[in-house]
Amino acid sequence: EIVLTQSPGTLSLSPGERATLSCRASQSLNSAYLAWYQQKPGQAPRLLIYGASTRATGIPDRFSGSGSGTDFTLTITRLEPEDFAVYYCQHYVTSPMYTFGQGTKLEIK
Amino acid sequence: QVQLQESGPGLVKPSETLSLTCFVSGDSMDSYFWSWIRQSPGKGLEWLGYIYYNGKTDYNPSFKTRVTISVDMFKTQFSLRLSSVTAADTAVYYCARHPGVQYFDLWGRGTLVTVSS
Repeated sequence: EIVLTQSPGTLSLSPGERATLSCRASQSLNSAYLAWYQQKPGQAPRLLIYGASTRATGIPDRFSGSGSGTDFTLTITRLEPEDFAVYYCQHYVTSPMYTFGQGTKLEIK
Repeated sequence: QVQLQESGPGLVKPSETLSLTCFVSGDSMDSYFWSWIRQSPGKGLEWLGYIYYNGKTDYNPSFKTRVTISVDMFKTQFSLRLSSVTAADTAVYYCARHPGVQYFDLWGRGTLVTVSS
């Protein structure tokens, strides 16, 4: 079973700064099957990125995804107040099986 | 605008069966996959299984002996049954849509289910 490890666990930044979130897999992934979600308190996760780097509909261009193999990154340039939330990476394999990382909490410094 | 809404009991007794329904409004269920996912502080986000609009199902091997997902296309809803529940099944349960197998593009708001006597 593939394990996704996200780091850091908590990231403290100020509005306007750049955020870099990491998702590392226990084995090499098909990047077509790597997605990122944002979750705010009391809400469901929202799809941000799929296929490792494609923004979902309506997602601002300050969100970008990159990576391949075992290392993937979600970058948020110029943080807005509404961006402070928990972020999850997710992967699919054809067993089928969907795996989520444990999340990175992005908090206001 | 397509919306998903989970419905079902918020409290289930140990050893009983948890039953939830997801109501889909604003669109048909054709050509999509429909999943159940849960979230708990201890286990994080866990995928339970999906049903395709044609009725084909696949389940997380960890839950395969206890989970059943069914669909009613005419009523635009799909359902989850999880048998023999324990306190470890206490979680927020989400229904979600996916246009292909890879990712979930729309989620319900979630419903908290507590397993307790």
